Amino acid sequence: GAGVSQSPSNKVTEKGKDVELRCDPISGHTALYWYRQRLGQGLEFLIYFQGNSAPDKSGLPSDRFSAERTGESVSTLTIQRTQQEDSAVYLCASSLASQGGDYGYTFGSGTRLTVV
Amino acid sequence: DAKTTQPTSMDCAEGRAANLPCNHSTISGNEYVYWYRQIHSQGPQYIIHGLKNNETNEMASLIITEDRKSSTLILPHATLRDTAVYYCIVRSLTDSWGKFQFGAGTQVVVTP
Repeated sequence: GAGVSQSPSNKVTEKGKDVELRCDPISGHTALYWYRQRLGQGLEFLIYFQGNSAPDKSGLPSDRFSAERTGESVSTLTIQRTQQEDSAVYLCASSLASQGGDYGYTFGSGTRLTVV
Repeated sequence: DAKTTQPTSMDCAEGRAANLPCNHSTISGNEYVYWYRQIHSQGPQYIIHGLKNNETNEMASLIITEDRKSSTLILPHATLRDTAVYYCIVRSLTDSWGKFQFGAGTQVVVTP
């Protein structure tokens, strides 16, 4: 597609439930990133995928968070047993490579997660 | 430990130039200066980047001081749609994109 697509755009869930967030990167982009942005704060790196290499999970805040990506296509971020502190906008970005590239990377519009 | 410092907020009158400063006093020789902005409820959007020379594109101009310790993003004729948070980031081309820090940025409000 023309841009990075994320779904759903908004998600309200009850505390303790699991949620799945989806990211469709730009076709051909080998690198994909997930970030979290709490209200009024900057972006917090969660995880990134580069082609078929093992993902860099160093930003995941707890073992309740996991992400998968098949090849160079769609990625899903799963949050198990959601807590109220998980409420945030979850942003996905993709780029042609994990390093280099003149124009950086392209972000999706995010999924606003509210845990009640 | 943020690599850049920016003012928290600034106002700009519509039609005027907006000059957004950024300090990056610890920048190393292979690090570029990138600017992104984030309009409310949207993902960050690339604006411009540079290494040493001043750069200009259809969105903005980037002025980097000779010692590279600071830079200024210039929006030549600010419009109401330029109201956003503007992020200044330093990054080398060997860094993974996922590893750098977006700080709090500068909240720019363009007023009629």
